[in-house]
Amino acid sequence: GENVEQHPSTLSVQEGDSAVIKCTYSDSASNYFPWYKQELGKGPQLIIDIRSNVGEKKDQRIAVTLNKTAKHFSLHITETQPEDSAVYFCAATDLFGTGTSLTVIP
Amino acid sequence: DGGITQSPKYLFRKEGQNVTLSCEQNLNHDAMYWYRQDPGQGLRLIYYSQIVNDFQKGDIAEGYSVSREKKESFPLTVTSAQKNPTAFYLCASSLIAAGNSYNEQFFGPGTRLTVL
Repeated sequence: GENVEQHPSTLSVQEGDSAVIKCTYSDSASNYFPWYKQELGKGPQLIIDIRSNVGEKKDQRIAVTLNKTAKHFSLHITETQPEDSAVYFCAATDLFGTGTSLTVIP
Repeated sequence: DGGITQSPKYLFRKEGQNVTLSCEQNLNHDAMYWYRQDPGQGLRLIYYSQIVNDFQKGDIAEGYSVSREKKESFPLTVTSAQKNPTAFYLCASSLIAAGNSYNEQFFGPGTRLTVL
């Protein structure tokens, strides 16, 4: 069946460094790629999304890139801060990746 | 104050009992979803509904049932047939745009179910 692979499963970075999370998807019909942030004990919240007619989108310290030909998309967080520590999920339309636990070390 | 709510936050049940998890939204969203979250396994879709009185099975529907009698409400029943019901359950809702274009899902705070 269709799936979304997400890597890495855990990621530790020093405060101020960049973090990159990558996802690949199998359904070529996917046209909506959101990223969600989940803090401990809470539901996920959308942080950025991109549609298939756009290759890159940026919102302050976060950016997402999409390569539809290769069927992969990535989340980039620059100048990381301790409050960025959370679990991040990618999704291709309505299919979610397995999550990345990001820890930002002060 | 618009949003999506789930209750209760923590729920304990004895093995063999059915239990119903509540999910309510006042965002006027057409679509509602139930996910199960286990450590290291991301979000797995149990059921979803795009319109009142209609719902579809997700990837792991066995042992679960839902109803959608009102647009605002999408309760999930975990039945005794579910072999491993202990998990964190998340409800979500979203708008359905023209052409069935997908949009952001708004998640509730979740219910942690523990079956003893």
